Amino acid sequence: SAVISQKPSRDICQRGTSLTIQCQVDSQVTMMFWYRQQPGQSLTLIATANQGSEATYESGFVIDKFPISRPNLTFSTLTVSNMSPEDSSIYLCSVQGWIPPQETQYFGPGTRLLVL
Amino acid sequence: GQNIDQPTEMTATEGAIVQINCTYQTSGFNGLFWYQQHAGEAPTFLSYNVLDGLEEKGRFSSFLSRSKGYSYLLLKELQMKDSASYLCAVRGYGGSQGNLIFGKGTKLSVKP
Repeated sequence: SAVISQKPSRDICQRGTSLTIQCQVDSQVTMMFWYRQQPGQSLTLIATANQGSEATYESGFVIDKFPISRPNLTFSTLTVSNMSPEDSSIYLCSVQGWIPPQETQYFGPGTRLLVL
Repeated sequence: GQNIDQPTEMTATEGAIVQINCTYQTSGFNGLFWYQQHAGEAPTFLSYNVLDGLEEKGRFSSFLSRSKGYSYLLLKELQMKDSASYLCAVRGYGGSQGNLIFGKGTKLSVKP
């Protein structure tokens, strides 16, 4: 069956360090996105991961803090840099153009991050 | 600005019907989505509306009125496992292609 996986599933990190989250899809997709969901809140789009070029960031998110890679059509990484407790959140990747309807975004299982 | 409103919480009884409303104001409209999210899990796709009317899928139906900026998700024959948050999301125009704007979610509690 089709799968979207994320690694790690959870982590506890010290402030000032960085964590790289991986998202892997088992088939090629048109688009990949990274979202954040803070405790008790809804989802906020961080950026669109573009294959072979720089990611497109939403207002309030910058490349220095959240560098993103997408080397091919099935894989992307999000790095949370110089972490602070405010970065404690669930980070979710989503994909579009994977299974019909093609307009729909499907989410990975998420990475639960706690920064101490 | 862009805004999506839905009730914060709802309670319903097992076996009953519940309707979760969503109103939106966005810069353009290119589809409305409903997702279900159980506590501690990722959102799962429920329905997609881009034209006015009702889309039915088993126990779940979703309705859209673009002129009113309004949608609802209808859950029939409620089961205990339907206790979850239900997220309304709209894709507008402009900005990042495919950008979904999410409401804050409606937490549904199904009681015996």
